[in-house]
Amino acid sequence: DAKTTQPNSMESNEEEPVHLPCNHSTISGTDYIHWYRQLPSQGPEYVIHGLTSNVNNRMASLAIAEDRKSSTLILHRATLRDAAVYYCILRFTGTASKLTFGTGTRLQVTL
Amino acid sequence: DVKVTQSSRYLVKRTGEKVFLECVQDMDHENMFWYRQDPGLGLRLIYFSYDVKMKEKGDIPEGYSVSREKKERFSLILESASTNQTSMYLCASRRQGSWPQHFGDGTRLSIL
Repeated sequence: DAKTTQPNSMESNEEEPVHLPCNHSTISGTDYIHWYRQLPSQGPEYVIHGLTSNVNNRMASLAIAEDRKSSTLILHRATLRDAAVYYCILRFTGTASKLTFGTGTRLQVTL
Repeated sequence: DVKVTQSSRYLVKRTGEKVFLECVQDMDHENMFWYRQDPGLGLRLIYFSYDVKMKEKGDIPEGYSVSREKKERFSLILESASTNQTSMYLCASRRQGSWPQHFGDGTRLSIL
């Protein structure tokens, strides 16, 4: 499985945008990029996913580099409730595909 | 909303006991998964099931088995619990060929 590299931790101020980076230099053409987050004492929660084009939803935006070797999860206005561990995951296309989690980025949000 | 329910949030068992962790989903999903989560190691896949009575080994199946007799229920079994199986266990489900995958809130299992 292709691997991802994320910083162990990041800090942000409340109500400011947050850019969470992810490197995946060995990504293949059929790998989707998924982002999940895990709030304290909860299971992981889906955030967003994409293949080649940038994606937006109510939670976040996903910016994918043109060569697809990196991506960035963008939280437009961080709140205290966004403090969590964020996981960037590559998933190959196919019905048998499954998610392989790394250790993620712990995001701290301060007032 | 999809609901993945794990029967216990906290569980304490003794070494050598047979332990059952239960997971139920209410969205008629074909695929179900069991992970364990340990500090510094992230989530690791133990077993998964593509449909009723089907099961596949994940990355760390040793010491575990699973049962999927009904579509909505996926059980993880520790045949003879050991202290190194103390961990957070997470269940997940998704519709075949569709995303995202939905997780329960986990069972924190302690083996004494």
